[in-house]
Amino acid sequence: AAGVIQSPRHLIKEKRETATLKCYPIPRHDTVYWYQQGPGQDPQFLISFYEKMQSDKGSIPDRFSAQQFSDYHSELNMSSLELGDSALYFCASSLRGQLNTEAFFGQGTRLTVV
Amino acid sequence: AQKVTQAQTEISVVEKEDVTLDCVYETRDTTYYLFWYKQPPSGELVFLIRRNSFDEQNEISGRYSWNFQKSTSSFNFTITASQVVDSAVYFCALSEARGANNNDMRFGAGTRLTVKP
Repeated sequence: AAGVIQSPRHLIKEKRETATLKCYPIPRHDTVYWYQQGPGQDPQFLISFYEKMQSDKGSIPDRFSAQQFSDYHSELNMSSLELGDSALYFCASSLRGQLNTEAFFGQGTRLTVV
Repeated sequence: AQKVTQAQTEISVVEKEDVTLDCVYETRDTTYYLFWYKQPPSGELVFLIRRNSFDEQNEISGRYSWNFQKSTSSFNFTITASQVVDSAVYFCALSEARGANNNDMRFGAGTRLTVKP
């Protein structure tokens, strides 16, 4: 079965550069969630979108922005990258914004800022 | 605010031992969902189980079992006859059903399980 697809899997950027992470949800899923997991940390909720509208916001820095497109894929844009942005970024998707079904996670994008 | 506590930072057992990972949660909602995820060294988050707040039945899936106790706000996870492949970080997570559109999942700090041969 198709799963959540994230691209790229690995990304290396320099400080002050920008990065764009992409997330393609499971077909028919209309909700995406972004999480950031620092080294040795638990995943922290960043932001979520339901039907292309931002539905909830967590600890997302102002330097980051995200959107969900008409085909339900989402992009996380990160500007003025800092060393502390190095982390594993997960995207999850669900149906109708409800987590009464499983939230399926992608394999993550590992961002390294040097 | 919702909160998940996994008091055990690291656990080390020898293969074939049983091990229980603790999870205690806090929420003001009556409707919520609890999850367990496994994160192997490769990094992906592997879904293990979801339980809603109205279903206190314990569940068993092979060597895995879960004990949901609303009275103590706990959702503990037991691995029976552990194997080396069970070595991973295990996360407990909580999602409150606050509405149709904002049901993000909040994770505990995780428990690193090491199973030695």
